[in-house]
Amino acid sequence: AQSVTQLGSHVSVSEGALVLLRCNYSSSVPPYLFWYVQYPNQGLQLLLKYTTGATLVKGINGFEAEFKKSETSFHLTKPSAHMSDAAEYFCAVSPRNQGGKLIFGQGTELSVKP
Amino acid sequence: DTGVSQDPRHKITKRGQNVTFRCDPISEHNRLYWYRQTLGQGPEFLTYFQNEAQLEKSRLLSDRFSAERPKGSFSTLEIQRTEQGDSAMYLCASSLAGWWEGPGEQFFGPGTRLTVL
Repeated sequence: AQSVTQLGSHVSVSEGALVLLRCNYSSSVPPYLFWYVQYPNQGLQLLLKYTTGATLVKGINGFEAEFKKSETSFHLTKPSAHMSDAAEYFCAVSPRNQGGKLIFGQGTELSVKP
Repeated sequence: DTGVSQDPRHKITKRGQNVTFRCDPISEHNRLYWYRQTLGQGPEFLTYFQNEAQLEKSRLLSDRFSAERPKGSFSTLEIQRTEQGDSAMYLCASSLAGWWEGPGEQFFGPGTRLTVL
């Protein structure tokens, strides 16, 4: 069965610092890859996704992620954190040819210090 | 379109009671998904529909759970004989599946928070 591991349930950075949220998946066939963000009392929102083509994908709010097949990773980065980035971030995979269902990691809570 | 809506937003019930949740997807979306999220965890897939057909059910979905999407539009999720372990946030999402590479983006509703006393 496919699974997703997010390293670190809580990450704290200073405003203006680099944000790096780690995600690794286990799958014999590379799945489709996603990052979602959940702000307090709001629904999940798609940040970015990888389906095919260029392995570096750019998303909303200045986030980007790189698919590395050899490392089975899809880490999320942002060069400079803003206070408004504080939220819960979920990495998810969608196995190919399985109807689009998402398998989520356990989430990483990002805190941004002034 | 106002996005995916779910009703009710909160439900408190006593153990052993039946509950039903409703999800209204984005109108042109042909796929609808149900997930369950417990505190401190990521959402877990429960089931999904393509139009009115239920195509997959997770092993998490015991026989006390049933979902329908009768006309390929809104969906209901019913839990019979609720247990305290059913307490969670139940999320609904919809997407448009087509010929392009990869699944369509899933748009999530705000969820229904169930508390079983």
